[in-house]
Amino acid sequence: NAGVTQTPKFRVLKTGQSMTLLCAQDMNHEYMYWYRQDPGMGLRLIHYSVGEGTTAKGEVPDGYNVSRLKKQNFLLGLESAAPSQTSVYFCAGQRGGTDTQYFGPGTRLTVL
Amino acid sequence: DQQVKQNSPSLSVQEGRISILNCDYTNSMFDYFLWYKKYPAEGPTFLISISSIKDKNEDGRFTVFLNKSAKHLSLHIVPSQPGDSAVYFCAASYQGGSEKLVFGKGTKLTVNP
Repeated sequence: NAGVTQTPKFRVLKTGQSMTLLCAQDMNHEYMYWYRQDPGMGLRLIHYSVGEGTTAKGEVPDGYNVSRLKKQNFLLGLESAAPSQTSVYFCAGQRGGTDTQYFGPGTRLTVL
Repeated sequence: DQQVKQNSPSLSVQEGRISILNCDYTNSMFDYFLWYKKYPAEGPTFLISISSIKDKNEDGRFTVFLNKSAKHLSLHIVPSQPGDSAVYFCAASYQGGSEKLVFGKGTKLTVNP
């Protein structure tokens, strides 16, 4: 039982490049979330999904897209990376009817 | 506008003493509160939670107190241990909020041996 996993763990991009971050969970979570953590800013919600095939915007969605084609996977895409997207990205999953989210280990992204 | 506030960015305590981490919220719709603990280079891990129908929840060395009238909650750690040194995030949610959590900015706790 791997829990919530994230791929890759680290990535360096140049401005304008694109990439996709993968979150996978084997805990049968209905809900999945993408957050970014910046110094002094706490955890800010980017996008989330309440079920397979559904996505919604969070607090800071601009510059990101997401897809949830399968229940166990939630992808976060950056179409044209900007230095302001340098951050640590966390994925989380949650069972429906509960309030506890379970987090992955994070992806550290640097955009030069 | 911050709905969940942790006004102390850092806290330092001696091993064996009590650590008290505070959290304030502004949205009266919040009815469930959680504390997460985060070590460097790791994801946050769930620590303890409390429903708005309670005013206290205890789990071993960790106790969370909720004061709804003051819109304030606190996490007590007794006794504090060096392994408790981490960043602690307060989070809140409410029914009808699409199960989303709203996080505070975190408090970095350092427990000195």
